[in-house]
Amino acid sequence: RKEVEQDPGPFNVPEGATVAFNCTYSNSASQSFFWYRQDCRKEPKLLMSVYSSGNEDGRFTAQLNRASQYISLLIRDSKLSDSATYLCVSSGGGADGLTFGKGTHLIIQP
Amino acid sequence: NAGVTQTPKFQVLKTGQSMTLQCAQDMNHNSMYWYRQDPGMGLRLIYYSASEGTTDKGEVPNGYNVSRLNKREFSLRLESAAPSQTSVYFCASSEDRTGQFFGPGTRLTVL
Repeated sequence: RKEVEQDPGPFNVPEGATVAFNCTYSNSASQSFFWYRQDCRKEPKLLMSVYSSGNEDGRFTAQLNRASQYISLLIRDSKLSDSATYLCVSSGGGADGLTFGKGTHLIIQP
Repeated sequence: NAGVTQTPKFQVLKTGQSMTLQCAQDMNHNSMYWYRQDPGMGLRLIYYSASEGTTDKGEVPNGYNVSRLNKREFSLRLESAAPSQTSVYFCASSEDRTGQFFGPGTRLTVL
């Protein structure tokens, strides 16, 4: 069974701090990886894709470690609006959808 | 662009009733998906459609049927609703290996 594991949190972090969380995936054949953000009672929204070389989008940095089968997300200078649940996602590359982790709940405190 | 739209937003059914959840996308994506999300379970794939005219079972297909009416529309039908089908249902679409784009969801309660 393909699985993606995440620490559910919650992570309580003061505004302006840097926060990082990881997830691990079990399917070594996974080819694509993503981070999604989900606000309470809303749909998941694509935050960023994760590339083998690592990638950055503003305050967000994603990294992939294929040898250890984990993905990380780093958020710098955290804002109150970053409070959400972050879903780690892997794809086998086929059309059968994505495998979602259960999410990490992040709370940014003023 | 509306992206992915879903109707209805909310629905309450009695056990044994049937209903169809509608989903449409205007991004010209080939692939479409239906997920359910339950507390503590994360998102689970019910059915997917890799292209117009094809559908396949996902992780939790029992109790559901789907129709890929055309490239834009992918509907999910509950023939005889059960309380275990109380959930939030999300439709999504994607193109090849890009990430998926989700609709706003349907909150279904089965009494």
